[in-house]
Amino acid sequence: GAGVSQTPSNKVTEKGKYVELRCDPISGHTALYWYRQSLGQGPEFLIYFQGTGAADDSGLPNDRFFAVRPEGSVSTLKIQRTERGDSAVYLCASSATGQGHNEQFFGPGTRLTVL
Amino acid sequence: KQEVTQIPAALSVPEGENLVLNCSFTDSAIYNLQWFRQDPGKGLTSLLLIQSSQREQTSGRLNASLDKSSGRSTLYIAASQPGDSATYLCAVRPRRDDKIIFGKGTRLHILP
Repeated sequence: GAGVSQTPSNKVTEKGKYVELRCDPISGHTALYWYRQSLGQGPEFLIYFQGTGAADDSGLPNDRFFAVRPEGSVSTLKIQRTERGDSAVYLCASSATGQGHNEQFFGPGTRLTVL
Repeated sequence: KQEVTQIPAALSVPEGENLVLNCSFTDSAIYNLQWFRQDPGKGLTSLLLIQSSQREQTSGRLNASLDKSSGRSTLYIAASQPGDSATYLCAVRPRRDDKIIFGKGTRLHILP
C-alpha cells in the first residue's frame, strides 16, 4: 500500500513569507508526527497528533509554527514570517496508534530553503 | 532526559570489510530502538526495529543488537559494498515520551 507522502518535496521562499507543508499519512493511522532535520543533525520532534488533536506540541520552536489535522488524516504544518534559520528538511511520520511499541513510518520529507 | 549518541561521526572503510556502528542512550526505559539509513538529500529508510523485549534483529547483511541495561546498540554490516555508503541514524522511543529521539548519525563511506 501507499506510504507516507509529503508535498512539496522542495520549497524555496523568501524571508518573511508564509509557507504550508502537507503530510498524507498511511491510511488508517491515527498518530501523526512532525520532525525537523537541520543539516548534519538528526531529526528533532516538533508535534504529535492523535486523531484531530495535538497531543504534544512541545517541540514547536515558537509561535510562528502551527500545525493542524482537521479530519484526523492529512496534516498541514504552517510557518509564518519565515526566517533563514527555518531552513531544514521537515519530516512527517505516522503510526497505527500512538502506543509506544508501534513503528513510526516516515515520509520523504520537504526541504525548505528560506532565502 | 533521553540522549542518543552515535560514534563515530564518520567512517571510511574498504569494500568487503565487516563493520560495526555504535549507538548509546542514557535512559534504558524505552519501547524500542530503530536503525535508519539516509542517503544525501533523501528521507529516512527504516532498516531494523528492535522491541525492548528483543536482543537483536537481522535483515540480510545487517544485524542490530540491543543491550537495554547498558544503554547500547550496535549495527553490524557484513561484507560492505559501495552502495552501503550513507548516513546511519539510531533512534529510541522512550517510555516516558511520545516522540522518537534520534542520534546525529554516522556518515559511512565504503571505498571501492
